Amino acid sequence: GAGVSQTPSNKVTEKGKYVELRCDPISGHTALYWYRQSLGQGPEFLIYFQGTGAADDSGLPNDRFFAVRPEGSVSTLKIQRTERGDSAVYLCASSRVTGGFNEQFFGPGTRLTVL
Amino acid sequence: QKEVEQNSGPLSVPEGAIASLNCTYSDRGSQSFFWYRQYSGKSPELIMSIYSNGDKEDGRFTAQLNKASQYVSLLIRDSQPSDSATYLCAAIYNQGGKLIFGQGTELSVKP
Repeated sequence: GAGVSQTPSNKVTEKGKYVELRCDPISGHTALYWYRQSLGQGPEFLIYFQGTGAADDSGLPNDRFFAVRPEGSVSTLKIQRTERGDSAVYLCASSRVTGGFNEQFFGPGTRLTVL
Repeated sequence: QKEVEQNSGPLSVPEGAIASLNCTYSDRGSQSFFWYRQYSGKSPELIMSIYSNGDKEDGRFTAQLNKASQYVSLLIRDSQPSDSATYLCAAIYNQGGKLIFGQGTELSVKP
């Protein structure tokens, strides 16, 4: 079946601009996760959704970052007033269940470059 | 702070050898562990999950978990050049959903 999809694959923007990154999870997966990965590092957790609600947003670095999942499927990560330090690969993952035994499957990522 | 630690490598092994990748974690509340493979420029791909002490085998891969020592490992038998990638260890803590990742170990398998 189809895996997690993310759009766009690449996004180049200027400092101070607003960006939206989209994630479409695996069909039937109720949980959706956002991570970001900088070069040479492991992915860093941002937020996860169980259904429509954010179950844990403790990884969002500041209030410029916001994510929604209004219908419990597709999610959008929104970044306001982008800064050069926001440049990274933003990864989305989904899992069939949440909790301690969930297996998360990643999409291809969106490479964000802030000039 | 909950941490997962890996040796960044690179780890170089000859083709056909056993590659051994190691990971330690700081919080005894962790309950589930995962190994992901990441090729350069690609996203992480789940290759193994392990929840109980002991070994779990899947093809050429064996994951080992020792909760008393807070240690997880991945063995790759009959290593192939196509196994050359970065291997990420990750843990879930206390019924939470988020994965805590190590920085990854780069593996190079030489023909």
